[in-house]
Amino acid sequence: QKEVEQDPGPLSVPEGAIVSLNCTYSNSAFQYFMWYRQYSRKGPELLMYTYSSGNKEDGRFTAQVDKSSKYISLFIRDSQPSDSATYLCAMRSTNAGKSTFGDGTTLTVKP
Amino acid sequence: EAQVTQNPRYLITVTGKKLTVTCSQNMNHEYMSWYRQDPGLGLRQIYYSMNVEVTDKGDVPEGYKVSRKEKRNFPLILESPSPNQTSLYFCASSLTKDQPQHFGDGTRLSIL
Repeated sequence: QKEVEQDPGPLSVPEGAIVSLNCTYSNSAFQYFMWYRQYSRKGPELLMYTYSSGNKEDGRFTAQVDKSSKYISLFIRDSQPSDSATYLCAMRSTNAGKSTFGDGTTLTVKP
Repeated sequence: EAQVTQNPRYLITVTGKKLTVTCSQNMNHEYMSWYRQDPGLGLRQIYYSMNVEVTDKGDVPEGYKVSRKEKRNFPLILESPSPNQTSLYFCASSLTKDQPQHFGDGTRLSIL
Protein backbone atom coordinates (compact mmCIF):
# COMPACT_ATOMS: atom_id res chain seq x y z
CA GLN A 1 0.00 0.00 0.00
CA LYS A 2 1.27 3.45 -0.89
CA GLU A 3 2.11 5.91 1.87
CA VAL A 4 0.16 8.63 0.06
CA GLU A 5 -3.06 7.99 -1.85
CA GLN A 6 -4.59 10.66 -4.03
CA ASP A 7 -8.03 10.67 -5.65
CA PRO A 8 -7.12 9.63 -9.19
CA GLY A 9 -9.60 11.66 -11.19
CA PRO A 10 -9.77 12.86 -13.82
CA LEU A 11 -12.03 15.64 -12.67
CA SER A 12 -14.03 17.86 -15.02
CA VAL A 13 -15.98 20.87 -13.74
CA PRO A 14 -17.64 23.96 -15.23
CA GLU A 15 -16.01 27.34 -14.84
CA GLY A 16 -16.87 28.93 -11.50
CA ALA A 17 -17.31 25.64 -9.65
CA ILE A 18 -15.70 24.84 -6.31
CA VAL A 19 -13.16 22.06 -6.65
CA SER A 20 -12.06 19.70 -3.90
CA LEU A 21 -8.88 17.67 -4.29
CA ASN A 22 -7.95 15.13 -1.65
CA CYS A 23 -5.14 12.93 -0.36
CA THR A 24 -4.91 10.41 2.44
CA TYR A 25 -1.73 9.13 4.02
CA SER A 26 -0.61 6.42 6.39
CA ASN A 27 2.61 7.80 7.91
CA SER A 28 1.74 9.64 11.12
CA ALA A 29 5.22 11.24 11.12
CA PHE A 30 4.33 13.52 8.21
CA GLN A 31 4.33 17.12 9.41
CA TYR A 32 4.77 19.20 6.26
CA PHE A 33 2.14 19.17 3.54
CA MET A 34 2.33 20.66 0.08
CA TRP A 35 0.22 21.03 -3.01
CA TYR A 36 1.83 21.42 -6.41
CA ARG A 37 0.26 22.27 -9.76
CA GLN A 38 1.71 20.77 -12.92
CA TYR A 39 0.85 21.99 -16.39
CA SER A 40 1.49 19.79 -19.40
CA ARG A 41 5.18 19.66 -20.37
CA LYS A 42 6.17 21.66 -17.27
CA GLY A 43 7.56 20.87 -13.85
CA PRO A 44 5.44 20.97 -10.70
CA GLU A 45 5.09 24.43 -9.15
CA LEU A 46 4.34 24.97 -5.49
CA LEU A 47 0.82 26.19 -4.68
CA MET A 48 0.47 25.73 -0.94
CA TYR A 49 2.75 24.75 1.94
CA THR A 50 1.43 24.02 5.42
CA TYR A 51 2.83 22.67 8.64
CA SER A 52 0.81 20.33 10.89
CA SER A 53 -2.98 20.63 11.10
CA GLY A 54 -5.26 23.50 10.16
CA ASN A 55 -6.27 25.64 7.22
CA LYS A 56 -4.31 28.00 5.02
CA GLU A 57 -5.84 30.33 2.47
CA ASP A 58 -4.20 32.05 -0.50
CA GLY A 59 -6.55 33.84 -2.85
CA ARG A 60 -8.90 31.28 -4.40
CA PHE A 61 -6.98 28.36 -2.88
CA THR A 62 -7.47 26.84 0.57
CA ALA A 63 -5.38 23.98 1.95
CA GLN A 64 -6.78 21.93 4.79
CA VAL A 65 -4.92 19.39 6.91
CA ASP A 66 -6.62 16.97 9.32
CA LYS A 67 -3.85 14.99 10.98
CA SER A 68 -6.26 13.01 13.15
CA SER A 69 -7.84 11.56 10.01
CA LYS A 70 -4.60 11.61 7.98
CA TYR A 71 -6.40 13.56 5.29
CA ILE A 72 -5.52 16.70 3.36
CA SER A 73 -7.54 18.72 0.90
CA LEU A 74 -7.09 21.55 -1.55
CA PHE A 75 -10.12 23.67 -2.37
CA ILE A 76 -10.27 25.92 -5.42
CA ARG A 77 -13.02 28.54 -5.43
CA ASP A 78 -14.37 30.16 -8.58
CA SER A 79 -12.39 27.75 -10.74
CA GLN A 80 -11.02 29.08 -14.04
CA PRO A 81 -9.97 27.34 -17.27
CA SER A 82 -6.40 28.34 -16.39
CA ASP A 83 -6.68 26.05 -13.33
CA SER A 84 -6.77 23.06 -15.68
CA ALA A 85 -3.70 21.04 -14.71
CA THR A 86 -2.57 18.05 -12.68
CA TYR A 87 -2.47 18.65 -8.93
CA LEU A 88 0.00 16.75 -6.77
CA CYS A 89 -0.05 16.46 -3.02
CA ALA A 90 3.26 15.93 -1.22
CA MET A 91 4.25 15.46 2.37
CA ARG A 92 7.33 15.08 4.51
CA SER A 93 8.30 14.29 8.07
CA THR A 94 10.57 16.50 10.18
CA ASN A 95 14.27 15.95 9.42
CA ALA A 96 13.43 13.73 6.45
CA GLY A 97 15.57 14.18 3.38
CA LYS A 98 12.73 13.55 0.96
CA SER A 99 9.10 14.23 0.21
CA THR A 100 6.53 11.62 -0.74
CA PHE A 101 4.17 12.53 -3.57
CA GLY A 102 0.69 11.43 -4.53
CA ASP A 103 0.11 10.25 -8.10
CA GLY A 104 -1.77 13.41 -9.05
CA THR A 105 -5.33 14.38 -9.99
CA THR A 106 -5.95 15.86 -13.43
CA LEU A 107 -8.46 18.72 -13.39
CA THR A 108 -10.21 20.23 -16.39
CA VAL A 109 -12.24 23.41 -15.97
CA LYS A 110 -14.57 23.95 -18.90
CA PRO A 111 -15.52 27.49 -19.99
CA GLU B 1 15.04 34.95 -12.80
CA ALA B 2 15.17 32.17 -10.19
CA GLN B 3 15.14 28.85 -11.95
CA VAL B 4 16.19 25.23 -12.15
CA THR B 5 17.53 24.39 -15.61
CA GLN B 6 17.73 20.88 -17.01
CA ASN B 7 19.39 19.74 -20.21
CA PRO B 8 18.57 18.15 -22.50
CA ARG B 9 14.78 18.49 -22.47
CA TYR B 10 14.35 15.48 -24.75
CA LEU B 11 16.67 12.60 -25.54
CA ILE B 12 16.27 9.37 -27.47
CA THR B 13 19.17 6.98 -27.10
CA VAL B 14 20.03 3.29 -27.10
CA THR B 15 20.61 0.72 -24.40
CA GLY B 16 24.05 0.86 -22.84
CA LYS B 17 25.15 4.27 -24.11
CA LYS B 18 26.19 6.36 -21.13
CA LEU B 19 24.35 9.65 -20.73
CA THR B 20 24.28 12.60 -18.39
CA VAL B 21 21.38 14.92 -17.66
CA THR B 22 22.55 18.22 -16.26
CA CYS B 23 20.77 20.28 -13.63
CA SER B 24 21.71 23.76 -12.54
CA GLN B 25 20.05 26.19 -10.12
CA ASN B 26 20.77 29.89 -9.64
CA MET B 27 19.20 30.33 -6.19
CA ASN B 28 22.13 29.25 -4.02
CA HIS B 29 20.05 26.34 -2.75
CA GLU B 30 21.67 23.74 -0.53
CA TYR B 31 19.24 20.91 -1.25
CA MET B 32 18.86 19.32 -4.68
CA SER B 33 17.16 16.14 -5.83
CA TRP B 34 16.21 14.06 -8.84
CA TYR B 35 12.83 12.45 -9.48
CA ARG B 36 11.35 10.30 -12.16
CA GLN B 37 7.67 10.52 -13.05
CA ASP B 38 5.84 7.53 -14.50
CA PRO B 39 2.10 7.02 -15.18
CA GLY B 40 0.43 5.36 -12.22
CA LEU B 41 3.57 5.61 -10.09
CA GLY B 42 3.75 9.34 -9.55
CA LEU B 43 6.95 11.17 -8.67
CA ARG B 44 9.61 8.97 -7.14
CA GLN B 45 12.87 10.27 -5.77
CA ILE B 46 16.07 8.86 -7.24
CA TYR B 47 18.82 10.70 -5.31
CA TYR B 48 19.12 13.82 -3.24
CA SER B 49 21.90 16.04 -1.97
CA MET B 50 21.88 18.07 1.24
CA ASN B 51 24.96 20.07 0.22
CA VAL B 52 28.19 19.94 -1.75
CA GLU B 53 29.77 16.46 -1.65
CA VAL B 54 26.78 15.10 0.34
CA THR B 55 24.45 12.79 -1.58
CA ASP B 56 22.08 10.01 -0.57
CA LYS B 57 19.78 7.48 -2.18
CA GLY B 58 16.10 8.09 -2.62
CA ASP B 59 13.46 5.48 -3.34
CA VAL B 60 14.65 4.25 -6.74
CA PRO B 61 18.44 4.77 -7.04
CA GLU B 62 19.33 1.59 -8.95
CA GLY B 63 20.98 2.30 -12.29
CA TYR B 64 21.71 5.95 -11.53
CA LYS B 65 24.63 7.97 -10.22
CA VAL B 66 24.89 11.58 -9.11
CA SER B 67 27.59 13.98 -8.03
CA ARG B 68 27.57 17.34 -6.26
CA LYS B 69 30.92 19.00 -6.78
CA GLU B 70 29.49 22.50 -6.89
CA LYS B 71 26.52 23.95 -5.09
CA ARG B 72 24.65 24.95 -8.24
CA ASN B 73 25.04 21.72 -10.25
CA PHE B 74 23.65 18.24 -9.68
CA PRO B 75 24.04 16.01 -12.75
CA LEU B 76 22.25 12.68 -13.11
CA ILE B 77 24.33 9.95 -14.75
CA LEU B 78 23.05 6.79 -16.38
CA GLU B 79 26.14 4.65 -16.87
CA SER B 80 24.41 1.90 -18.85
CA PRO B 81 20.84 2.96 -19.61
CA SER B 82 18.15 0.33 -20.07
CA PRO B 83 14.61 0.59 -21.49
CA ASN B 84 13.05 0.54 -18.00
CA GLN B 85 14.70 3.92 -17.41
CA THR B 86 12.54 5.48 -20.08
CA SER B 87 10.74 8.16 -18.12
CA LEU B 88 10.20 11.86 -17.44
CA TYR B 89 12.90 13.17 -15.11
CA PHE B 90 12.75 16.23 -12.88
CA CYS B 91 15.45 18.02 -10.98
CA ALA B 92 14.40 20.08 -7.96
CA SER B 93 16.07 22.34 -5.41
CA SER B 94 15.26 24.12 -2.17
CA LEU B 95 17.10 26.44 0.18
CA THR B 96 17.28 23.70 2.82
CA LYS B 97 15.79 20.23 3.12
CA ASP B 98 12.93 21.70 5.16
CA GLN B 99 11.72 24.05 2.45
CA PRO B 100 9.44 23.10 -0.45
CA GLN B 101 11.21 22.42 -3.71
CA HIS B 102 11.43 24.31 -6.99
CA PHE B 103 11.29 22.04 -10.03
CA GLY B 104 12.86 22.21 -13.46
CA ASP B 105 10.73 21.67 -16.56
CA GLY B 106 11.75 18.05 -16.99
CA THR B 107 13.78 15.83 -19.30
CA ARG B 108 11.99 13.19 -21.30
CA LEU B 109 14.30 10.21 -21.83
CA SER B 110 13.57 7.35 -24.21
CA ILE B 111 15.92 4.37 -24.06
CA LEU B 112 15.51 2.02 -27.03
